[in-house]
Formats: sequence, structure tokens, C-alpha cells
Amino acid sequence: EAGVAQSPRYKIIEKRQSVAFWCNPISGHATLYWYQQILGQGPKLLIQFQNNGVVDDSQLPKDRFSAERLKGVDSTLKIQPAKLEDSAVYLCASSSDRRYTGELFFGEGSRLTVL
Amino acid sequence: AQKVTQAQTEISVVEKEDVTLDCVYETRDTTYYLFWYKQPPSGELVFLIRRNSFDEQNEISGRYSWNFQKSTSSFNFTITASQVVDSAVYFCARAVEHAGGTSYGKLTFGQGTILTVHP
Repeated sequence: EAGVAQSPRYKIIEKRQSVAFWCNPISGHATLYWYQQILGQGPKLLIQFQNNGVVDDSQLPKDRFSAERLKGVDSTLKIQPAKLEDSAVYLCASSSDRRYTGELFFGEGSRLTVL
Repeated sequence: AQKVTQAQTEISVVEKEDVTLDCVYETRDTTYYLFWYKQPPSGELVFLIRRNSFDEQNEISGRYSWNFQKSTSSFNFTITASQVVDSAVYFCARAVEHAGGTSYGKLTFGQGTILTVHP
């Protein structure tokens, strides 16, 4: 089966500009996650969707970050305006709730550099 | 915040050596889940194992084995006879179960251990 697809793989912007990342999860996976991984750190959950509803966005900086999952399939994460500290890899993951294994399937990530 | 600590930032071994990656976690919960993920240079995290807090049995899968000890809040990972392909960043993580079972994905990750296996 096809894995989690993310784009773009790399993005360089200047501070105060905006950027959007796209994610297409594994077909049939109801739950989708966006994680932020700063260099040298473990990933941190930003937002979790189940179908097209938000389950957890407690760690999403809502003054500048937004995410949506229209139609319960693919998702977009937006940052506007970007700050230097937003430089990170943004990982999308999905999981199948039917199995409850706890296994998340991750994409290769979108690396953001803010200058 | 309840942390996951991987004290070893980097480990370097020669092929065929055994290596153990340490993980210590904090929790106030009775039911929780522990995970190990591998992140190769390509970037995607790959699931290796999940254990729940009620199952302290050690597990072996090929060259991989895991030692879960609630008494010391540790969940260590051993690779036997390491290979160059094992070179990656390894993350330990924990999740807490909430009603509805929707919190599996809210993983708290450790800082990761960079493992380099030299030929």
C-alpha cells in the first residue's frame, strides 16, 4: 500500500512569510497527526484529527499555525507569519483506529528553514 | 510535563557488537503505552514496538529485544550483532490511554539516540 505522502520536501522562506504543507495519509486511515521535529529533538504533536474533526490541538500555536482536514482525507498545515523558531521538520502521520495497535505511519516530512 | 529521557545522545559501535539504548519515562498514569521508533536518514519514523503498562514480559524479535521494568520506569532496547543498516536515530515514546482510545497518537518522545554502526 502507498505510504503517507507529504509535500513539499523542502521549503526556505524569510521570517514573516507564510508557508503551507500538504499531507495525504494512508488510504482508510481515519486519524491524522501533524508533528513538529526541531533539529536534535524528538517530534512534538501539533494537532490530531479524527476524520475531519480535531481531537487535540493543545500544542498548536494558534496565533500563527492553522490546520485543516477537509473531507476527512488529506490535510494542510499553514504557518503565517513564520518565525525563525519555526525552522523544523513537519511530520505527518496517520493511523488505523480499527486495529488500535498504536502504530503510527509517518511520512518523510517537510523541512522548513526560516531565514 | 511527564518526560521521556534518553540519556545517550550518540552511540558508536562496530558491526557485530551488541548495543543497548536506554529509555526512562515519567508517568502518573496506571495505563500507558511505550514505543520505540527508528528514524533512518530518509526521515520517516518507523514503528518498532509497542508495550502496554500491564505487560512486563520482555520481547525478542530477531536481533531486537526489549526490556521493560516498571520498578525503574525503564524500557530499554538492545540490538544484538549490530549491522550497518541499523544506523539511525532511535526514539523512545510514551502515550496515555484516554476514553475512546484516541490518544495513542499523542506520543511524548524522548530526545533520540543517534546510533552509528561502523563496518
